[in-house]
Amino acid sequence: GQNIDQPTEMTATEGAIVQINCTYQTSGFNGLFWYQQHAGEAPTFLSYNVLDGLEEKGRFSSFLSRSKGYSYLLLKELQMKDSASYLCAVRGTDTGGFKTIFGAGTRLFVKA
Amino acid sequence: GAGVSQTPSNKVTEKGKYVELRCDPISGHTALYWYRQSLGQGPEFLIYFQGTGAADDSGLPNDRFFAVRPEGSVSTLKIQRTERGDSAVYLCASSLSGRGGYEQYFGPGTRLTVT
Repeated sequence: GQNIDQPTEMTATEGAIVQINCTYQTSGFNGLFWYQQHAGEAPTFLSYNVLDGLEEKGRFSSFLSRSKGYSYLLLKELQMKDSASYLCAVRGTDTGGFKTIFGAGTRLFVKA
Repeated sequence: GAGVSQTPSNKVTEKGKYVELRCDPISGHTALYWYRQSLGQGPEFLIYFQGTGAADDSGLPNDRFFAVRPEGSVSTLKIQRTERGDSAVYLCASSLSGRGGYEQYFGPGTRLTVT
């Protein structure tokens, strides 16, 4: 089976740095994604990791450790518009390796 | 360019009725996914199409749910004998490929309410 765990909610201050953790158990591993979802809107892609290490993209970075089944999303220089849910999603290798399993999401509140 | 579109945006139906939800993917995207999302939860995988064929339908909850993509573009999710538990936002996403790190582009969703 597949399982993804991430904190339900986090609060951070504008201008600060926040790290959102994700742990997963999957049947095989075929990539990990982070998506952002504002309330009432569709998810939008942030990052993809398939090898261990850090991927940096502007204010957002994502880290992966396959041996630990662990990833984090790092958001720097937080802005009010970053208040949203952040979804960790993993693709395993069962059933052909196409199925993407999403976590429940971490709701981030950015305060002034 | 045009993104993924879904119709209708909202659908209210009575328990026991049949509904069809439509998804128009981004032109040229061979991979198409259907998910459903309940409040406070992440998207739940339903089915994946590669071209015209359903490469993975392991997420369909039961045989009341069926999806087609006859020409490899537009897809329709069909739900028979709807139940109140089917109420959710149904999301469609398309991608250049189901392999690798190709991002999924999501449509705005269809909010289905079964009364």
